Amino acid sequence: QLQLQESGPGLVKPSETLSLNCSVSGGSITTYYWSWIRQPPGGELEWIGYVYRTGSTTYNPSLKSRVTISIDTSKNQFSLELRSVTAADTAVYYCARDYSDSRGYYYFDSWGQGTLVTVSS
Amino acid sequence: QLTQSPSSLSASVGDRVTITCRASRDISTFLAWYQQKPGEAPKPLIYAASSLQSGVPSRFSGSGSGTDFTLTISSLQPEDFATYYCQQLNLYPRIFGGGTKVEIK
Repeated sequence: QLQLQESGPGLVKPSETLSLNCSVSGGSITTYYWSWIRQPPGGELEWIGYVYRTGSTTYNPSLKSRVTISIDTSKNQFSLELRSVTAADTAVYYCARDYSDSRGYYYFDSWGQGTLVTVSS
Repeated sequence: QLTQSPSSLSASVGDRVTITCRASRDISTFLAWYQQKPGEAPKPLIYAASSLQSGVPSRFSGSGSGTDFTLTISSLQPEDFATYYCQQLNLYPRIFGGGTKVEIK
C-alpha cells in the first residue's frame, strides 16, 4: 500500500524559506504526478503545485513566484520550498499522489498525514 | 472557481444529504469529492464526478457534468460527520471548493 510521509521543520521565521520533504513508500515515484497541498488552521485546502518524474512542474499562480517543487527519484521522494514566508503561510502541508485512471481522470488518491508549519519569530 | 453549498448543514443519522458544487467554467466530469475529519488528511470518495473510490461505502454517490455537481449520502451514518470538499481536475490550478461541514442535528 502506498504511503506518503512529510518531514521538515515545524517552525519557520518570517522572510525565511520553508522546506519540506515527502517520502514515498510502497510504490514508485516514477509514475504519476506528485502534489503539495496546504490548509491553514480552520481553513480551506489550497493546491500548491505538482512535479513529474522528469522534474517538470506546474504551480498555483498565487504562489508561483515563491515556490519550487523538485523530485529525487533515487530516493523516492519529492520536496517543497516556499520562499519569503509570512504568517499567512502557516498551515498544515500535505503531500499527495495525483493519480490518473485508465480513462485519464485524475484525483488525489493517497495523502500524507500532513505536517503543521508555523511561521513565527 | 468552485462554489460549494451549503457551507454547513445539520442532519440526523439516516437522513439523505445532498451537497452541491458549482464550477465557474465547464469542467466536463473532471471533479472529485473528498471527506476530511478533524486532524486527518482528506480521503477520496468520488472521482470523475461519479466513480466511487475503492473501499468507499455505496451510500456515497456523485453526479453531474459541466458546471453543476452533487454529492449524495443516501443514509447518513455516525462516521459520516465530517467536512466534504469538491475539487476540479480539468484546469490549473487544481482548486478545491470551500467545504461543507456536516454536523449532527
